[in-house]
Amino acid sequence: EAGVVQSPRYKIIEKKQPVAFWCNPISGHNTLYWYRQNLGQGPELLIRYENEEAVDDSQLPKDRFSAERLKGVDSTLKIQPAELGDSAVYLCASSPQGKLGQQYFGPGTRLTVT
Amino acid sequence: KQEVTQIPAALSVPEGENLVLNCSFTDSAIYNLQWFRQDPGKGLTSLLLIQSSQREQTSGRLNASLDKSSGRSTLYIAASQPGDSATYLCAVKADKLIFGTGTRLQVFP
Repeated sequence: EAGVVQSPRYKIIEKKQPVAFWCNPISGHNTLYWYRQNLGQGPELLIRYENEEAVDDSQLPKDRFSAERLKGVDSTLKIQPAELGDSAVYLCASSPQGKLGQQYFGPGTRLTVT
Repeated sequence: KQEVTQIPAALSVPEGENLVLNCSFTDSAIYNLQWFRQDPGKGLTSLLLIQSSQREQTSGRLNASLDKSSGRSTLYIAASQPGDSATYLCAVKADKLIFGTGTRLQVFP
């Protein structure tokens, strides 16, 4: 069974530029998460989707971050414009059973903003 | 607000040693606790998940315990190997997963 797929794996951009990350969850998983992991820290939840509905986006900086999960499968996380402090690893995870189900993580996208 | 702390932050041991990683959390109202492994440049791999009603879980050379009342969990690694070198993260599940900052483990031959 294929795991969570993320692309790109690495991205380097200049500040003020836009960037987008893509995630394909495990087939059949209705719940999808985006996390941000700063260097030397644990991941922090940005947003959780149940199917196509964002049910917890309280930690998403909405002035520059946006996310979508059209058709309740793939998801895209966007930053516009990027700032130096956005440099981090962005992890996607999926779960088959809502917020209590075990989460399976993708390899992440390492973003460097210069 | 739930806070998760892991001690030590880094650990370096010779191959073959048994070792213990510690995790503490401030709010005992959790559904479960999970231990993850993260290799450099990689995502997280789940090692063990302990439900709030359980006391421990075992998988191979790994054993994790949970004492919810005291807000503590330990991950025991028996007969460590160089391949165990990675960062180990614990996370508690309430409304969402809250992670600790991890223990960076190096096992040298």
